[in-house]
Amino acid sequence: GEDVEQSLFLSVREGDSSVINCTYTDSSSTYLYWYKQEPGAGLQLLTYIFSNMDMKQDQRLTVLLNKKDKHLSLRIADTQTGDSAIYFCAENLYGGSQGNLIFGKGTKLSVKP
Amino acid sequence: GAGVSQTPSNKVTEKGKYVELRCDPISGHTALYWYRQSLGQGPEFLIYFQGTGAADDSGLPNDRFFAVRPEGSVSTLKIQRTERGDSAVYLCASSLQAGGNTGELFFGEGSRLTVL
Repeated sequence: GEDVEQSLFLSVREGDSSVINCTYTDSSSTYLYWYKQEPGAGLQLLTYIFSNMDMKQDQRLTVLLNKKDKHLSLRIADTQTGDSAIYFCAENLYGGSQGNLIFGKGTKLSVKP
Repeated sequence: GAGVSQTPSNKVTEKGKYVELRCDPISGHTALYWYRQSLGQGPEFLIYFQGTGAADDSGLPNDRFFAVRPEGSVSTLKIQRTERGDSAVYLCASSLQAGGNTGELFFGEGSRLTVL
């Protein structure tokens, strides 16, 4: 079956790096995503990675994909208090614009000043 | 507006009542999705439209839930005989239908439904 798992909480100090981990079960996933949800707001796409890539870097964000272990991680460098939010990992089983995304339960990131 | 718009933002109803939730996608986006997010959970897929037709409704939990998109733009999610377990935030998202699309979804802020 399809399942995406994440740890529920992460607490870091401002300026440190944050690493949020995710495991997924379906090896046929074509794209994997990280979405951010701030209180009272909709989900916002942070970054994504195609399944034939190992790493993707976008400013302070680094995504690592280990397809063999079905493990995805999001590293946020120089974490700021504004990064405090819930981060969702999601997989797209079908590719393209057919967005039947399977989401994890989310990791709540708390950044202490 | 530029983003996905959902109304109402909050809806409180009594058990057994009928509810409609509306979604206005980003102009030009042909694909539209409904998700449900319960407290402490990630979004759960309900239904996906490509144009006017429901391409995949496998996530609808039972026949009390129905969604339409008659003109290929605005969509309405309809819930009959609401139950307390239907309480959740209902999220709408849209995306472009184009070759090479990464499948990025643009989400609205959601409609919070509370069934008393």
